Amino acid sequence: AQSVAQPEDQVNVAEGNPLTVKCTYSVSGNPYLFWYVQYPNRGLQFLLKYITGDNLVKGSYGFEAEFNKSQTSFHLKKPSALVSDSALYFCAVRDGNSGYALNFGKGTSLLVTP
Amino acid sequence: GAGVSQSPSNKVTEKGKDVELRCDPISGHTALYWYRQSLGQGLEFLIYFQGNSAPDKSGLPSDRFSAERTGGSVSTLTIQRTQQEDSAVYLCASSLGRTSGRPEQFFGPGTRLTVL
Repeated sequence: AQSVAQPEDQVNVAEGNPLTVKCTYSVSGNPYLFWYVQYPNRGLQFLLKYITGDNLVKGSYGFEAEFNKSQTSFHLKKPSALVSDSALYFCAVRDGNSGYALNFGKGTSLLVTP
Repeated sequence: GAGVSQSPSNKVTEKGKDVELRCDPISGHTALYWYRQSLGQGLEFLIYFQGNSAPDKSGLPSDRFSAERTGGSVSTLTIQRTQQEDSAVYLCASSLGRTSGRPEQFFGPGTRLTVL
C-alpha cells in the first residue's frame, strides 16, 4: 500500500520570502516521488521528481525538493516566492519496483501575497 | 502534438445517459492513464494502459466505466448510465515506458463532466 500526506490545506507566504510545502509518504518498495502544480481550470503540470541519487532535486520554475528517507518526507521548497506561484500543489508517490499509478496527496493551496 | 490533449473540455449530461471522453497522448508515450479529480475524493487512479498489454482496470469504480486504447495511441473512457456522483474532472496522462527511466506522467487539461 502507498499513501501521501500533505498536512497543510493552505500555505500563505509573502512575495520574496522562502516557501515550503510539506509532504510525507508511505510506500512498501522504493519510493518514486513527484510534485505537480495545478492552476485554476488547468491540468496538472509536472514540477520535479525523485527516483534515485541526490536527495536534493531541482525542477521547473526555481522549485526544489529534498528527499529524506528517515523522515519519509519530500518537502517542496523555493528560496523566493512569486505571486505567480499561487496555485494548488500535489505531492505523489508510486512504488518504483512494481507500481505505475500515482497516489496523490489531497493538495496544498499556496497563496503568495504581494 | 506537444502535449496531452483531451476532448471535450466540458460535458454536461443528464442522469442515465452514456458519455465518451477522449484522450490523445504525447506522441511516443507508450503508457496512458486515466484519473478522476473530485472535491470529495481528490485524485483517483482509474485505469492504466501499457503498450499492447492488457490494461489494469483496478481503479474503475463500477462496471459502468470502461476504457479502450486503439492502435496504442488514442484512448476513450466511456461511462454508461451516468450518475450524479460521476460528476468530476477526468484527467488523462501519458508517460514513456517502464524501462525508460522517465516515470513522470504528463497530464492533459481534463474533461469536466457534470451530470444533472
